Amino acid sequence: DQQVKQNSPSLSVQEGRISILNCDYTNSMFDYFLWYKKYPAEGPTFLISISSIKDKNEDGRFTVFLNKSAKHLSLHIVPSQPGDSAVYFCAAKDTGNQFYFGTGTSLTVIP
Amino acid sequence: EAGVVQSPRYKIIEKKQPVAFWCNPISGHNTLYWYRQNLGQGPELLIRYENEEAVDDSQLPKDRFSAERLKGVDSTLKIQPAELGDSAVYLCASSFARYNEQFFGPGTRLTVL
Repeated sequence: DQQVKQNSPSLSVQEGRISILNCDYTNSMFDYFLWYKKYPAEGPTFLISISSIKDKNEDGRFTVFLNKSAKHLSLHIVPSQPGDSAVYFCAAKDTGNQFYFGTGTSLTVIP
Repeated sequence: EAGVVQSPRYKIIEKKQPVAFWCNPISGHNTLYWYRQNLGQGPELLIRYENEEAVDDSQLPKDRFSAERLKGVDSTLKIQPAELGDSAVYLCASSFARYNEQFFGPGTRLTVL
């Protein structure tokens, strides 16, 4: 059963606007959450993360929000740039150090 | 700093043939992961090593898959014999044990005909 879900397979956004990627999870024991970015024919690259004891983490144009009561995670990219076009994976870590990945959201930023 | 290295990048074999993948993690990373990623899906863990020890291999199909990490550095993942359903991208990742961020290699795309 999928413990980490990304319900939007794709998203298109105009350059300069905000991109919001969403992720839901089912396991309340997850203690760490990450976002990875993946270009074609490359492995995923780490983008930003957040501990379960926080509700927001910001790094430049990227902000991750965590709503533990809703078991919901989101990644905001502001402003979006064409180079941000990629597949974004949400991941969660449990207390046994096992990682679970979502199915990914393909972001297209239109110039 | 060199990233995670994987080889080969692509492999095409016929079913029932054996195949092996190799991974060299980032220097100093004691944790190594093998994932399988099917088309349109996220990576799924096959096995995790802490140094030489396989600490989580519950998702590894042990009837045909095997892995080893000699000396706690390089690792190989083997499939014997391969089946059509094994076609996927096999990703290797590494990390420091106490850190949460994993660094992925480019993956090996396996096609079983």
